[in-house]
Amino acid sequence: EAQVTQNPRYLITVTGKKLTVTCSQNMNHEYMSWYRQDPGLGLRQIYYSMNVEVTDKGDVPEGYKVSRKEKRNFPLILESPSPNQTSLYFCASSSRGRDNYGYTFGSGTRLTVV
Amino acid sequence: GQQLNQSPQSMFIQEGEDVSMNCTSSSIFNTWLWYKQDPGEGPVLLIALYKAGELTSNGRLTAQFGITRKDSFLNISASIPSDVGIYFCAGYPNAGNNRKLIWGLGTSLAVNP
Repeated sequence: EAQVTQNPRYLITVTGKKLTVTCSQNMNHEYMSWYRQDPGLGLRQIYYSMNVEVTDKGDVPEGYKVSRKEKRNFPLILESPSPNQTSLYFCASSSRGRDNYGYTFGSGTRLTVV
Repeated sequence: GQQLNQSPQSMFIQEGEDVSMNCTSSSIFNTWLWYKQDPGEGPVLLIALYKAGELTSNGRLTAQFGITRKDSFLNISASIPSDVGIYFCAGYPNAGNNRKLIWGLGTSLAVNP
C-alpha cells in the first residue's frame, strides 16, 4: 500500500531532550515536507526537500532540523525541544509529475513538550 | 508566509443539505487542491484542478478552478455524517517556487444526522 509512515504517533517529552520523528514513504517520491498544525493557524510548513541532499526552510523552521540522506526517509529533529513546539506534526510526500502535484500525508505525530 | 482566504471558517448543517465553500487569493494560481482531514488523521487529497475553468467531480464532491485563476470552490451535495471534518484548499502560485503549497486555514464541517 502506498503510504507515508510517521513514528511515533504520540510523544510526550521534557524541555531540552533531543528527539527525532521519523518519516518514510514507499512511493519513490522526490518531494517531501514537514508541517505543523496548530488550532487557528492551519498547516504551516517547517522544512521541505526537493530531492536527496536538497533541503530548504519553510515558513517556521526555527528550532527544527531535517536531513534527506535517502530518497524514502525525511526525519525531523528537535535538538532542544521547548513547550512552544507542542503541536501536531505531519510529514508529506509528492512526486514531480505534472498531474500529480498533490501531497500524500502521514497520519501525524502529536508531540507534547513539558 | 502567504495564505489563502478560505470561507466559511465553520459550518453546521443538517444531513442531506448541500455545502459550498470557497478559497480566494490576491495572486494567480496554476493549481488548486482540495483536501479533507478527518479527526486524528492527516489530510487526504479530494480533488486536484490544473486549468482555469476546470470543473471536476469526485462522487458527491465538485470543485472548480476559477476563471480568474484567483479562486476555487468546493461543493458537497446531499451531505452525510461521514462528511464531518476539516476541508482545506491549497494551491501552487503562478510565480516563485512552484513546489511550495500555499494553504487556507480550513473549513470545519459538522453534520447533524
